[in-house]
Amino acid sequence: DTEVTQTPKHLVMGMTNKKSLKCEQHMGHRAMYWYKQKAKKPPELMFVYSYEKLSINESVPSRFSPECPNSSLLNLHLHALQPEDSALYLCASSPQGMGNQPQHFGDGTRLSIL
Amino acid sequence: GENVEQHPSTLSVQEGDSAVIKCTYSDSASNYFPWYKQELGKRPQLIIDIRSNVGEKKDQRIAVTLNKTAKHFSLHITETQPEDSAVYFCAASLRDSWGKLQFGAGTQVVVTP
Repeated sequence: DTEVTQTPKHLVMGMTNKKSLKCEQHMGHRAMYWYKQKAKKPPELMFVYSYEKLSINESVPSRFSPECPNSSLLNLHLHALQPEDSALYLCASSPQGMGNQPQHFGDGTRLSIL
Repeated sequence: GENVEQHPSTLSVQEGDSAVIKCTYSDSASNYFPWYKQELGKRPQLIIDIRSNVGEKKDQRIAVTLNKTAKHFSLHITETQPEDSAVYFCAASLRDSWGKLQFGAGTQVVVTP
């Protein structure tokens, strides 16, 4: 069973649309992450939230806007995306936002930009 | 920043044989090294990890070894089975890195019956 839940599983949107990806975990973890993964490539870190505060933004374009309403929820708001943004978007969580703790991934949202 | 190299990029093994994947890292301050298995269309799944104060860790058919002096770590899978077929990613991180993982490029493992 996946303990990190992501919705939706699939999303197709036009370049002018606004949509949001959602992630939820109930493991009591205090760090949550957004990754982008292209086919046959490793996950690329986008954002890290630790104790509901943004700790890392890996120079992600502003058309991606993260939000952490509480310690269990993580959103990624999308606006005016480009075709090259089509990818698998993975959420992960870890007990704390430290570099020596295991991260557990959700099943991801497969995003296609028309 | 940290850089992780992973070899080989593809690995084909006969069922029952062993598989070994090797990774090297650049930052000697890295102290956490997880391995993820990703089956086609599925999420990366943490299969084993090791911290820098340990040289070897084993979990059933899977083991990881760490050589801090040489800055490399390896994944060993014994008695391979068809369900071991997947892409395997190594990663490294620093304790004070806010959980930032630097991944290797991945190894496609194919286990043939």
